[in-house]
Amino acid sequence: GAVVSQHPSWVICKSGTSVKIECRSLDFQATTMFWYRQFPKQSLMLMATSNEGSKATYEQGVEKDKFLINHASLTLSTLTVTSAHPEDSSFYICSAPSGGGGRWYTQYFGPGTRLTVL
Amino acid sequence: DAKTTQPNSMESNEEEPVHLPCNHSTISGTDYIHWYRQLPSQGPEYVIHGLTSNVNNRMASLAIAEDRKSSTLILHRATLRDAAVYYCIPGVSEKLVFGKGTKLTVNP
Repeated sequence: GAVVSQHPSWVICKSGTSVKIECRSLDFQATTMFWYRQFPKQSLMLMATSNEGSKATYEQGVEKDKFLINHASLTLSTLTVTSAHPEDSSFYICSAPSGGGGRWYTQYFGPGTRLTVL
Repeated sequence: DAKTTQPNSMESNEEEPVHLPCNHSTISGTDYIHWYRQLPSQGPEYVIHGLTSNVNNRMASLAIAEDRKSSTLILHRATLRDAAVYYCIPGVSEKLVFGKGTKLTVNP
């Protein structure tokens, strides 16, 4: 099956710094990728849709200036958490759809990046 | 997005079948019913999906009610590796919106 990777798998940073997380589709192309955030013992919350060649679409309540998304190529999307604060500490997960034909797709998820802001 | 209702948690014994229910009474006529699962500290993975008919694959079976307002994921013989949070997600495939899911515990 298709593989999505994320880098780094974990990161610890100081409050006020920016952190970049990469999401790559390794063996397929993805014009769209998705970014989720998951707090401990909670479900995944969709943050934004990353679109290759155009601006990302953010879900309601997600600050686009804080969570910068760049879909640089058909296999790479990056999420930059700017001026990170302890409340941004979370598990960040990306996904990319791969076509099953017609209207249905399988979403392939990355292994996640655990961000801890001190 | 269609609202879903799933049990918070379920338990099963190893080698026994597990039936994970999901109610999605507000599902639209064109929504697929997707099931994904998330093992601890990992990203979710696809389990199965369906539209109207029951579906089988190597991982599980999906039974869809005739009115499509509910579905049941069936694991035929649970193993310890099946311990995970199972999410039932009605909607379009390209954009998945996760509910709370069911945490499945498998006892040896």
